[in-house]
Amino acid sequence: DTGVSQNPRHKITKRGQNVTFRCDPISEHNRLYWYRQTLGQGPEFLTYFQNEAQLEKSRLLSDRFSAERPKGSFSTLEIQRTEQGDSAMYLCASSPMGGVTDTQYFGPGTRLTVL
Amino acid sequence: AQSVTQLDSQVPVFEEAPVELRCNYSSSVSVYLFWYVQYPNQGLQLLLKYLSGSTLVKGINGFEAEFNKSQTSFHLRKPSVHISDTAEYFCAVTEENNDMRFGAGTRLTVKP
Repeated sequence: DTGVSQNPRHKITKRGQNVTFRCDPISEHNRLYWYRQTLGQGPEFLTYFQNEAQLEKSRLLSDRFSAERPKGSFSTLEIQRTEQGDSAMYLCASSPMGGVTDTQYFGPGTRLTVL
Repeated sequence: AQSVTQLDSQVPVFEEAPVELRCNYSSSVSVYLFWYVQYPNQGLQLLLKYLSGSTLVKGINGFEAEFNKSQTSFHLRKPSVHISDTAEYFCAVTEENNDMRFGAGTRLTVKP
């Protein structure tokens, strides 16, 4: 069990550019979550996958955001035409079965800075 | 929809003193409650969770929390803190829809 990994750990980009983050969950975890955390706030739910199916998306996930989990293993989160308001820590978490009582295991996050 | 309020943004305490981090939630249905800890430059780690049954829940690192339905609270306690407990603590609630809501966090600073 190597834990949830996220790459890159830090990303600095200019407004208007596209960025993509990757999350590798714990092996054989069926559920994968994406959260966004801004300074001084707790994580905010963005979306989650059950295997390769994206089952729920938050209203926070605008049309510029897209997430995929093509083979039910790793996931990517892409932000198109970044804005300064997108600057945040993006967290990924995974859980074994996907029930509400499952423990979510979090990665260290990707810190995005949009200049 | 459920929501969480962490009443203290910062809690400074001296080493070996007791500590209580407060959490209140709002929900119209049955809830599941969690406390996570975030050490600097690390991911969130589960401390404990309340699913059902006994209202006193024991977690890792000597922490415990008590679910109080009438007061809609889930306060986190530790009888004697260590320097290594310095971290950000998040209370979270979820209902059956799997959308976990986190509080804004409480920064616990343990001073020697």
